Amino acid sequence: KNEVEQSPQNLTAQEGEFITINCSYSVGISALHWLQQHPGGGIVSLFMLSSGKKKHGRLIATINIQEKHSSLHITASHPRDSAVYICAVPPTRGSSNTGKLIFGQGTTLQVKP
Amino acid sequence: GAGVSQTPSNKVTEKGKYVELRCDPISGHTALYWYRQSLGQGPEFLIYFQGTGAADDSGLPNDRFFAVRPEGSVSTLKIQRTERGDSAVYLCASSFGAALPYNEQFFGPGTRLTVL
Repeated sequence: KNEVEQSPQNLTAQEGEFITINCSYSVGISALHWLQQHPGGGIVSLFMLSSGKKKHGRLIATINIQEKHSSLHITASHPRDSAVYICAVPPTRGSSNTGKLIFGQGTTLQVKP
Repeated sequence: GAGVSQTPSNKVTEKGKYVELRCDPISGHTALYWYRQSLGQGPEFLIYFQGTGAADDSGLPNDRFFAVRPEGSVSTLKIQRTERGDSAVYLCASSFGAALPYNEQFFGPGTRLTVL
C-alpha cells in the first residue's frame, strides 16, 4: 500500500461542475501540500495546510489530521482547470520534519466545455 | 529570476554516458530537493540539501547517482553510466527551510532526460 493514496485517478467533468479529489496518507505529517501539474511538467504549489481549511479563489482544501485525510475541491470548474493534481506530504521523524515530500500518484482532471 | 530554474530543459544521451543536470534555486532558499518523475507517476524523492550538505540522500537509487551543492546555492545532479531506466523528468525544488512554516517547496520546470 502506498503511503499517499489519491482518488480518483482520473476524473472527467463538465464545465461548471463541483469537483472533489481525495487524499489519504498513512505516515505522520506536520502539513500537507496540494500541487498542480500542467502538461509539460511544471508543478505549482496550490496549498500547504496543517489543519482546517484554506481557500484560494475557486479552490478549497481541507484536512483532517486525525483521520489522515485531505480533500481538494474546485467550484465552478473550467476547462483551464484541466491538469494533474497531486497530494504530497513531508513525513515527520519524531518531532522533526525530514523535508522531503512523498507524493501521491496524482489525479488527472479533464474539464470539458 | 524569481523562480527555480533548471538546465538543460531536455537532455538526450546514449546509454553509458555521463550527464549533469543543474538547478538554480530561489535566492535565499537554504533547502533544495531533487525528485524524479517517470511517465504517469508522481515524483519520487532523490536527495535533499540543507545548505551545502546532503541532509537526506535516501532516495538516490544507486551509486551511479550523485549530487552536490558546494556553495549552498546551485546544485548539480550527476548520473554516471546512464541506463535506459534513468529516462525521466528530473525535478528540482527549493524552500526557505525544511520545517514549518518555511517548508513550502517551489518547483523548477524540470529536465527531461532521455537515455537511448
